[in-house]
Amino acid sequence: EIVLTQSPGALSFSPGDRATLSCRASQSVSSNYVVWYQQKPGQVPRLLIYGASTRFTDIPDRFSGSGSGTDFTLTISRLEPEDFAVYYCQQYGSYPFTFGPGTKVDIK
Amino acid sequence: VHLVDSGGGLVHPGGTLRLSCVASGFTFSDFWMSWVRQVPGKGLEWVANIEGPGNERHYLDSVKGRFTISRDNAKNSLYLQMNSLRAEDTATYHCARAGGVFDSWGRGTLVTVS
Repeated sequence: EIVLTQSPGALSFSPGDRATLSCRASQSVSSNYVVWYQQKPGQVPRLLIYGASTRFTDIPDRFSGSGSGTDFTLTISRLEPEDFAVYYCQQYGSYPFTFGPGTKVDIK
Repeated sequence: VHLVDSGGGLVHPGGTLRLSCVASGFTFSDFWMSWVRQVPGKGLEWVANIEGPGNERHYLDSVKGRFTISRDNAKNSLYLQMNSLRAEDTATYHCARAGGVFDSWGRGTLVTVS
């Protein structure tokens, strides 16, 4: 099983800041099959990025994903008020599919 | 795309439940479908998935032999039969479109094993 680590568990930013979130895998993720989701309280997860770097439909271009092998990054270039949420990475390169524990992005 | 999950509830350890998910807004039979669970206030855990025709299925190790994922494409419905439930199965269960990249999610149905 591939274990995904997201650290730290929480980050504080001001609106307009650049946020860089990390996701590290315990072994190489096949074909860089990594997804990023955003989840706000009381809502279901929202797909942001798949294949490590492909932005999903209608996702603003301030969200970008990068990385390969075991190290992946989600970058939010300029935080908008609606971006404060929990972000999860997930791998779908091998079974069982696994999620990271999430990084909470909150307002400083 | 619209997914509506149902069937959760309170059950004793060792009990059974059957979750359902009705899909609309897309050609259901063309898509892998999955169940993903989330302990309230905690993280996400993939549980199982099934291919469009329903022949290929995969499970999380901790539910193998206890849970069965199935589908009825004529009814645009996905199911999760859960047997021998344990306290650690307590979570909100979401159906999700696709096998690994979950682009649409149901609101979820809460399963409490106690």
